[in-house]
Amino acid sequence: SAVISQKPSRDICQRGTSLTIQCQVDSQVTMMFWYRQQPGQSLTLIATANQGSEATYESGFVIDKFPISRPNLTFSTLTVSNMSPEDSSIYLCSVVRWDGHRGGGYTFGSGTRLTVV
Amino acid sequence: GQQLNQSPQSMFIQEGEDVSMNCTSSSIFNTWLWYKQEPGEGPVLLIALYKAGELTSNGRLTAQFGITRKDSFLNISASIPSDVGIYFCAAPPVQGAQKLVFGQGTRLTINP
Repeated sequence: SAVISQKPSRDICQRGTSLTIQCQVDSQVTMMFWYRQQPGQSLTLIATANQGSEATYESGFVIDKFPISRPNLTFSTLTVSNMSPEDSSIYLCSVVRWDGHRGGGYTFGSGTRLTVV
Repeated sequence: GQQLNQSPQSMFIQEGEDVSMNCTSSSIFNTWLWYKQEPGEGPVLLIALYKAGELTSNGRLTAQFGITRKDSFLNISASIPSDVGIYFCAAPPVQGAQKLVFGQGTRLTINP
């Protein structure tokens, strides 16, 4: 499976500011995703990061609030803009890569724990 | 939209006990995945199921893909303290993008 490096691992930010989270994969992958996990909750998909085109956002998430870049097949960033305390969550990068054998192709980064004060 | 209903939401057990949790949906899926998440980490894949009726083991963990393709269960036998964490079922929709839908999670606590 792919190896994902996500950073920062955690941050405490002032409301009204923005934070950019980076996701680096050890090999080229077709699909990259960004998830949000609110305290004590499950994972909710924010968007699919598309290489060379605009990200595809899920219902309830908009580009102005969560701009995403994907300049190549191994790297993506998620920005949380104009933050408020409600944005305090864990943000996770995920990729899909099929290695041609059983075992699942979905891998997650270790997440970015964001606290907005 | 497609939803996965996972139960129980939490479990408090004694070390050595067996654990069982399940996920159900009104939609059918072609793949079921079970993940474990520990504090400060992202979910880690435990077992992947690709065929209705499939029963797969990974050490003390056993998972089955329901014959109706609408459910799956995960069993942990002879639990140990390192089994503590949150367990999630997940599945990609049959049609469309390869994004995952997640269950609500089962938080497992073990008393030594």
